[in-house]
Amino acid sequence: GAGVSQTPSNKVTEKGKYVELRCDPISGHTALYWYRQSLGQGPEFLIYFQGTGAADDSGLPNDRFFAVRPEGSVSTLKIQRTERGDSAVYLCASSLWRLVRTSWGGETQYFGPGTRLLVL
Amino acid sequence: DQQVKQNSPSLSVQEGRISILNCDYTNSMFDYFLWYKKYPAEGPTFLISISSIKDKNEDGRFTVFLNKSAKHLSLHIVPSQPGDSAVYFCAASSNSGYALNFGKGTSLLVTP
Repeated sequence: GAGVSQTPSNKVTEKGKYVELRCDPISGHTALYWYRQSLGQGPEFLIYFQGTGAADDSGLPNDRFFAVRPEGSVSTLKIQRTERGDSAVYLCASSLWRLVRTSWGGETQYFGPGTRLLVL
Repeated sequence: DQQVKQNSPSLSVQEGRISILNCDYTNSMFDYFLWYKKYPAEGPTFLISISSIKDKNEDGRFTVFLNKSAKHLSLHIVPSQPGDSAVYFCAASSNSGYALNFGKGTSLLVTP
């Protein structure tokens, strides 16, 4: 079956512009996550959706960042007034979701290829 | 504050030998640990995971060991193959949240 897909694969924009990054999760996965990976770092959590609602947005760096998932499937990460420091790879992941975490396993997150954002 | 640490940025191993990648964590609430492998220009690919109720999990050439008292885990690859050359990320999560906390990664090079 298809994995997580992300578009565009690359995005170059100018400082101050608005960008939208799209994520299409694995079919049947109700949980969706956005991460950001800067050069030389591991991915850093931004936001987590359970269905249509943002269950945890504690990783969003400031109010220029916003994400939606209106129908519980595709998600869009929106960045307003982009800054050069926003340049990074934006990764999306999806997983199945258990109502109660079991003691013998968690939810494996499956990642998309990422969108490489460059703000000039 | 880095809660998951991979202190070796790079590792070089000969083909056929064992590769050992290490990871330390500081948050005692972490109860689920994963290793991801990443090739250039691709997203991380899930490799293997382990729950805190176990101390070892094996899948083919890959074995993950967990030492909870030392807050340390390691990934063993035996035998190493050139196709294993990639960046390996250690990640952890806790029952109170679903976000994965990643280390900075270790770049493994397997030479013929």
